Amino acid sequence: EEQLLESGGGLVQPGGSLRLSCVASGFSFSSYSMSWVRQAPGKGLEWVLGISGSGDSTYYPDSVKGRLTISRDNSKNTLFLQINSLRAEDTAVYFCAKGGWYNHFDLWGQGILVTVSS
Amino acid sequence: QTVVTQEPSFSVSPGGTVTLTCGLSSGSVSTNSYPSWYQQTPGLAPRTLISNTNTRSSGVPDRFAGSILGNKAALTITGAQADDESDYYCVLYMGSGIFVFGGGTQLTVL
Repeated sequence: EEQLLESGGGLVQPGGSLRLSCVASGFSFSSYSMSWVRQAPGKGLEWVLGISGSGDSTYYPDSVKGRLTISRDNSKNTLFLQINSLRAEDTAVYFCAKGGWYNHFDLWGQGILVTVSS
Repeated sequence: QTVVTQEPSFSVSPGGTVTLTCGLSSGSVSTNSYPSWYQQTPGLAPRTLISNTNTRSSGVPDRFAGSILGNKAALTITGAQADDESDYYCVLYMGSGIFVFGGGTQLTVL
């Protein structure tokens, strides 16, 4: 069974940093682009980052360049999201999703909550 | 900045048909945008319904159908059921690995 499991969320102070992890199982992880999608409380879904299967290419909208970084370790079937200089507006549930480049998101993790507050 | 537009809310009667749309603030949606649709119950992860305009995901009933209608992507639900009451999101591919989600449509079945 294909599965994605996020971890690493929690309460963080403004200005701090956080790294989220997403462990994949049940499929050939390195063969697929992966993405992070977030959802602020009471708001809609927002695609924030993508990475190619090899990890050689990353994709960002201008709104997150510089503070959010996506990476992967294919030897450990793990996707990462590094968030620096955390702001209140980064408070959201972060979903790991299988898909990216032009492929749709066909598998989702359960989501992990990040709360930025002093 | 490109904005993907969806109706904020929609209502359908049980057994009825409803079409949700997904457009662009400027320009038209085509198959080259690889539109996909997701259903989400608050507090849970999204469920993939439709990919590449009109391909249903495994396990999705054929009551759900995707298409291009005019200059928008569309999700039509035929024979709406109570458990179709959810939030529905479309996402469009903008090229260069970039995706943009629509704001979502809250569907009420009553």
